[in-house]
Formats: sequence, C-alpha cells, structure tokens
Amino acid sequence: AQSVTQLDSQVPVFEEAPVELRCNYSSSVSVYLFWYVQYPNQGLQLLLKYLSGSTLVKGINGFEAEFNKSQTSFHLRKPSVHISDTAEYFCAVGGYQKVTFGTGTKLQVIP
Amino acid sequence: GAVVSQHPSWVICKSGTSVKIECRSLDFQATTMFWYRQFPKQSLMLMATSNEGSKATYEQGVEKDKFLINHASLTLSTLTVTSAHPEDSSFYICSAKSGGLTDTQYFGPGTRLTVL
Repeated sequence: AQSVTQLDSQVPVFEEAPVELRCNYSSSVSVYLFWYVQYPNQGLQLLLKYLSGSTLVKGINGFEAEFNKSQTSFHLRKPSVHISDTAEYFCAVGGYQKVTFGTGTKLQVIP
Repeated sequence: GAVVSQHPSWVICKSGTSVKIECRSLDFQATTMFWYRQFPKQSLMLMATSNEGSKATYEQGVEKDKFLINHASLTLSTLTVTSAHPEDSSFYICSAKSGGLTDTQYFGPGTRLTVL
C-alpha cells in the first residue's frame, strides 16, 4: 500500500521569496516519487521525479526536491518564486503500475 | 517531450445520454493508459488502468458498466460515460506511459464534463 500526505492545502508567498511545499509518503515497495503542477483547467505537468541515485532532484522552472528516506519526505523547494508559479502542486508516489497522488497544495504568489 | 491529447476539452450533455472521451498519445506508443477523475478542489482519483489489447482494471468503487474503457491501439484509449447523471459531472484526465515501472506518466489536458 502507498499513500501521500500534503499537509498544506494552501501556501501564500510573496513574489521573489523562497517556498517549500511539503510532502510525506508511505510505501511498502520501492519508492518512486514525483511532483506535478496543474494550472487551472489543465492536466498535470511533471516538474521532477526521483527514481534512485542522488537525493537532490532538480526539475523544470527552477524547482528542486530532496528525497529523505529517514523522514519519508520529498519536499519541493524554489529559492525565488514568480507570479507564473501560481498553480496547484501534487506530490505522488509510484509503485507497480499505479501512482497515488496527494491532495495538492495551492501555491499563491502575491505580487 | 511526450504529448497526450484529449478530446473534447469540454462537453455538456443531458442526463441519460452517453459521452465518449478520447485520449491519444501523439508521439509515442502508450502501452498503458490511466483514467482519473478530479472533483473540484480535490486530488486525482484513479478510475482504471488499461493496457493495449486487454480489459481495463478498475479501481474499487468504480462501476465498469458505467465507465466503459477501450484501449484498442497503442495510441488511443476511450472512456465512455454511459447514461450520464449530474453526479458524473467532473474533470476527467487521462495519462499514458510507454514503458515499465518507473516510466513517467504523461497527462492529457483533461475533459470537463457537465451533465444537466
């Protein structure tokens, strides 16, 4: 069984400030972790993924995430956000075939 | 990058009618396609997984006779919502992947279904 917890449903942050979106997971099999972004009325776009290797993963649009096995976390970070980063962000854990999504975190960038 | 399209992007229908949504992988062969449903302000709920040429595997609680899934080719899967009711109104998203366990799922843009 696998599950994902995104503790923050909404995160407001001022433009050019850093942001961290939190994600904790549980999985009984090998862990593959993903972050997706969803803009209004659109599908999901992959930001980054962790399969193995380096625990610090760099993605598109300046985002990065760190896999922490001991804390079962995969938090997403960006050092300086832009207005265009306003969207909903989903953390997901993958196992055999299936990917389980968290409930999402809405990032609101304030000008 | 891999592109997945969905058609239509939105549809409005009367209660009791059936609606078909298409999901196409445009530049790769999708051995597996997934159908999700997303309610307002909620996460994606996996409805079913389909492999080309075989019957779809439905998640618990999803009525297979109501949500008919066909994956007839490596680039096309269809979801038919039969005898639609207002409670079926939702955002339906498909995704596709070409390979094995760790392959990325590529998502379509979604279809907004409104049943009157």
